[in-house]
Amino acid sequence: GNSVTQMEGPVTLSEEAFLTINCTYTATGYPSLFWYVQYPGEGLQLLLKATKADDKGSNKGFEATYRKETTSFHLEKGSVQVSDSAVYFCALYGGGSYIPTFGRGTSLIVHP
Amino acid sequence: DAGVIQSPRHEVTEMGQEVTLRCKPISGHNSLFWYRQTMMRGLELLIYFNNNVPIDDSGMPEDRFSAKMPNASFSTLKIQPSEPRDSAVYFCASSSRDRDGYEQYFGPGTRLTVT
Repeated sequence: GNSVTQMEGPVTLSEEAFLTINCTYTATGYPSLFWYVQYPGEGLQLLLKATKADDKGSNKGFEATYRKETTSFHLEKGSVQVSDSAVYFCALYGGGSYIPTFGRGTSLIVHP
Repeated sequence: DAGVIQSPRHEVTEMGQEVTLRCKPISGHNSLFWYRQTMMRGLELLIYFNNNVPIDDSGMPEDRFSAKMPNASFSTLKIQPSEPRDSAVYFCASSSRDRDGYEQYFGPGTRLTVT
């Protein structure tokens, strides 16, 4: 079946540092890939997505590129802010399944 | 659009009581998902409806859990009888493959505490 593996957290950074959160996946076919963000006390919300190989999703300074050859969708941001502190989930959907698959989530803590 | 609406936002109940969680999906969405989130187990998919029909309930932990979707604008998740290990945040999410691809829209969640 499909699976998503994310790096374990928490990831702790100082403000303006560079962020990478790794995500790799296993799926049949050609799934769509997503990053969701969950702020404290809230539900998940879509951060960015990519629907085919080599697509780059971007939003709010975050980027991720759909790499089929390495089955990865790593999340990056050049300069994090305290307000980026949240839990980030990598997910896939499709690829032969109508059931979404989420990673375990990675907590990001940004200090001033 | 008001987004996905869940009620109640918080529920505290005693072990053995019946608990009903409610969800109103986004108008026009034809898929609905119930999730449970805990620190230990992360985000778990409980059940998935498509066009009001349950498609996959393999994530429902046991017979104490049941879910219904009587129409396109309402769904319930019921736990009877509740147990302390059911304490978690329960999320409802909806999506429309035709309109938004596979993007899911999550509600704010119901925090359930069973004492």
